[in-house]
Amino acid sequence: AQKITQTQPGMFVQEKEAVTLDCTYDTSDPSYGLFWYKQPSSGEMIFLIYQGSYDQQNATEGRYSLNFQKARKSANLVISASQLGDSAMYFCAMSNVFSGGYNKLIFGAGTRLAVHP
Amino acid sequence: DVKVTQSSRYLVKRTGEKVFLECVQDMDHENMFWYRQDPGLGLRLIYFSYDVKMKEKGDIPEGYSVSREKKERFSLILESASTNQTSMYLCASSLIRLDDYQETQYFGPGTRLLVL
Repeated sequence: AQKITQTQPGMFVQEKEAVTLDCTYDTSDPSYGLFWYKQPSSGEMIFLIYQGSYDQQNATEGRYSLNFQKARKSANLVISASQLGDSAMYFCAMSNVFSGGYNKLIFGAGTRLAVHP
Repeated sequence: DVKVTQSSRYLVKRTGEKVFLECVQDMDHENMFWYRQDPGLGLRLIYFSYDVKMKEKGDIPEGYSVSREKKERFSLILESASTNQTSMYLCASSLIRLDDYQETQYFGPGTRLLVL
């Protein structure tokens, strides 16, 4: 069964430091996508970064990078130079192609990140 | 920039009322989704639509229906609202990546619904 596991319910980081949010996944499909979303207290789910299962290089988007280790089935999010505005809930998600040809997004439970000044 | 909007940020309704939640996207996306998010249960897919007038049940469709009369608009309908439908409702639309056919879902700001 497809599953996303985020083992850190909460994380603290000092402003300007880097932080790694853990994510492991389980799937038997060879083709899948991995995503990270940020959800501030306002509630909107903001797309941050994507990694395809066949991508050779780790994805990067500004201060976000995804540490993709396929053999270990992990897709950790690294945020460099943390800012106060990074305080939010972070969700790891995985997509697989439905048998009907449509993608389903499976979410982890989330990690709450608090950035301290 | 992808823009997904939802008709209300906060909504208070009474038990038994019919409730409409509207979602509009301006990126010509084929697929649209409705989720609910509850503490401890995460995001759960209610319904999705892959084309106009097409709909598919998600994981928890009971008590809900949907309508997609136009490509940009996807409505979630609570036929007779109940207190256990108090939740955060998130709409999303998706863009299919041509390189690997995976989709990136873009979400709206959410609607916090309270049913009294």
